[in-house]
Amino acid sequence: DVKVTQSSRYLVKRTGEKVFLECVQDMDHENMFWYRQDPGLGLRLIYFSYDVKMKEKGDIPEGYSVSREKKERFSLILESASTNQTSMYLCASSSVETPLHFGNGTRLTVT
Amino acid sequence: LAKTTQPISMDSYEGQEVNITCSHNNIATNDYITWYQQFPSQGPRFIIQGYKTKVTNEVASLFIPADRKSSTLSLPRVSLSDTAVYYCLVGGSSGSQGNLIFGKGTKLSVKP
Repeated sequence: DVKVTQSSRYLVKRTGEKVFLECVQDMDHENMFWYRQDPGLGLRLIYFSYDVKMKEKGDIPEGYSVSREKKERFSLILESASTNQTSMYLCASSSVETPLHFGNGTRLTVT
Repeated sequence: LAKTTQPISMDSYEGQEVNITCSHNNIATNDYITWYQQFPSQGPRFIIQGYKTKVTNEVASLFIPADRKSSTLSLPRVSLSDTAVYYCLVGGSSGSQGNLIFGKGTKLSVKP
């Protein structure tokens, strides 16, 4: 069974801090994604990657960057956290033959 | 990317069949229709995917008419544990789904 693991379930950071959200998948999937989910807005795609060292902007990339140095790991970086980045962050992976598999999310609070 | 429209919420009772319809008027020829389920504090989970006619698996059925401009997710004999948000997505199959638009989904509440 595919497992997508996000390093933290809950995270509290201060405004201006650099924040790293880590995601690891164990099924050798080529594709990895970062979403954020906010009440009333559904899931919105931040960034995605179809291969190591490749990245593509999603719908709301502003204020975020990503890193994919290894196939199994996809990191989301908030360069300078702001209160409007308080949200639930969801990582997902997929391959040509499988649909999206999501982690259980990281609830980030920026104070 | 094809946009989808689905009801914001639905109520049902245990043991009933629930049908959630999704409209996708500008679906493209190569697009698949995929449904995900999400429980509170969890990531969405794949339920079912189809291209045309009817698809059935152990948890749901998916009905797609010939014009493919809509689809209906059917949950047989729901239980309290089926209370969740259900998302309809339209786009590439499997691996090319990452840039799909999730939207706000349908919040299904199952009552005893």
